[in-house]
Amino acid sequence: GQQLNQSPQSMFIQEGEDVSMNCTSSSIFNTWLWYKQDPGEGPVLLIALYKAGELTSNGRLTAQFGITRKDSFLNISASIPSDVGIYFCAGSNDYKLSFGAGTTVTVRA
Amino acid sequence: DTGVSQDPRHKITKRGQNVTFRCDPISEHNRLYWYRQTLGQGPEFLTYFQNEAQLEKSRLLSDRFSAERPKGSFSTLEIQRTEQGDSAMYLCASSLELGTGSYEQYFGPGTRLTVT
Repeated sequence: GQQLNQSPQSMFIQEGEDVSMNCTSSSIFNTWLWYKQDPGEGPVLLIALYKAGELTSNGRLTAQFGITRKDSFLNISASIPSDVGIYFCAGSNDYKLSFGAGTTVTVRA
Repeated sequence: DTGVSQDPRHKITKRGQNVTFRCDPISEHNRLYWYRQTLGQGPEFLTYFQNEAQLEKSRLLSDRFSAERPKGSFSTLEIQRTEQGDSAMYLCASSLELGTGSYEQYFGPGTRLTVT
């Protein structure tokens, strides 16, 4: 089963808003990764984090590797309609990625 | 570089039939992984290869499942005597492991299996 807890499970965004989501684990990980998945497609790697406390950006995305190595968060600034999708966090200590259940981002009507 | 490709994208089969999926990784990547994803969940690890050697298999991989990577390039995942519980998205990923601790895995588009 899943070791990682993602919150919120779902969120609605309005264009231009900043959004945040996080991921916590009962286990320590050496690597945290964030992926985005569109319906019917495979996950696409957004950001990889390798060091506790590390803050990394990729365009409008910013992610942080928690100091305890048991959590990570992802921020999306100035959201746009194509940001909708499911965002997954994944932790790894070696070859295997352990995924959370995802945060579903939907556009607010 | 065309990324990870998987074939077929969709497969519908009747319970009890055998199915085989193919994955072509990013060409210079030495590691290849198989994951399974059910609705509303994140992907779950099944198995992985370093070059042609299968180094780890999850408990999720029952004896009806077999994976190969005969020449260290493409891989196949076969499911024998399919069951309705096998219905899922089967994802392949690849990575380049140089011993530097980089675990960035790049996923293919997946094969959606429906067992009727």
